[in-house]
Formats: sequence, C-alpha cells, structure tokens
Amino acid sequence: DAGVTQSPTHLIKTRGQQVTLRCSPKSGHDTVSWYQQALGQGPQFIFQYYEEEERQRGNFPDRFSGHQFPNYSSELNVNALLLGDSALYLCASSQTGDQPQHFGDGTRLSIL
Amino acid sequence: ILNVEQSPQSLHVQEGDSTNFTCSFPSSNFYALHWYRWETAKSPEALFVMTLNGDEKKKGRISATLNTKEGYSYLYIKGSQPEDSATYLCAFMTTDSWGKLQFGAGTQVVVTP
Repeated sequence: DAGVTQSPTHLIKTRGQQVTLRCSPKSGHDTVSWYQQALGQGPQFIFQYYEEEERQRGNFPDRFSGHQFPNYSSELNVNALLLGDSALYLCASSQTGDQPQHFGDGTRLSIL
Repeated sequence: ILNVEQSPQSLHVQEGDSTNFTCSFPSSNFYALHWYRWETAKSPEALFVMTLNGDEKKKGRISATLNTKEGYSYLYIKGSQPEDSATYLCAFMTTDSWGKLQFGAGTQVVVTP
C-alpha cells in the first residue's frame, strides 16, 4: 500500500519562474493538504483540496494555486517565484479534513 | 495566545530518563489538537488526534494530555530511547477553520545513550 508520494524530490528555479509540484495521496484518502516548511519553522498551511475544490486556504498570496484531479492526486503551482519561496513543500493526505494527516517526503525547492 | 507555541524549542535527554514538553494554543473555537513526530530524513508521522477536554492518549512509551479550557497539551516520553530522537510537532484546528491545521515550530528531542 503506497503512502503519499511527491515529485520531484528536489527542484532549482530562478526568480520569476513558475513551478508545479505533484502529489499522489495514500490509497483510500480523498483530501489533500499542502504545507510550506521554512528552516526553523513548523509547516505552514497553504491550502486543502477535497472533491476537486479548494476547501480551506492559509495566508498565502494568489501566486500559490492548486488543483485536485478526479483520482484525488493534486498539484501545487507557484508563479513569479521569489527568493523567499525557497522551502520544503509537504503534501499530506487524509480520509477527511480533520483526520490524521499522512505526509509525503516533500519537495525541496530552491530559488536562485 | 494567538497561535500555537511549543516549549522548549529543544531538549537533550539521557537514555532511560522521562521527559515532557508543552503545546499551547488558543482555547476559543477549539476543534482538535494533533501531535506528529518528525524524524530526520523521514516524513512527519501522526501520533495522536485529540478532541475532548481531558483526553489522554497513549502509544507505547509516549502519551499526551489535553486541556482545551486553558489551551495546552503535554506530550510525555517515558524511559526515553535513542529512537525517540525527533522533532515533535503539535497542530491545532478550530471550528471556524475546519480542515486547516496550524502547526507549532516543534520541540526537538535528542536522546543520548
């Protein structure tokens, strides 16, 4: 039973570029949440997707957008990248929005 | 308290000793409190989800308590082992932001033999 998988593992971009990160949830999970984790901080909630809709959103600008597909997999898109977007991006899935989250290994995004 | 706070930021424990640390959160509109363990080079792993005031949960040598009226939770590790070394994160959810988990910065625990 595969857990949450994220791709790519690492990514290097330059300022102003756009990036897409991908996540496949654990089998049986229909809810996907995305987090940004900067050094020395806890994960910061970006948004949560359920039934292909954004259900909750954290305090992130519109440059951060997402999508959920019918098979429950999800993408995180970030436009006009800034140096401050350098972080570990974690995807988590759950059976419902309030159940324990199962995390992927994350995508390490570096902005030059 | 406006956001979740964890203390201490880090602690060093001798193998065999017991330890505990705190998660403080806003007490209004409480819905749930989660605890996660995050070991180096791994992904965060759920330990407990707590919803009721006075809840006590246990998993092996690790246990947690919850006080929603005063807005705090304690995590206890009994007889610490080197494999308990990890960052322990708490996260809370409110009724008016259902589904949105707000994480603390974590308590880093290092257990030395």
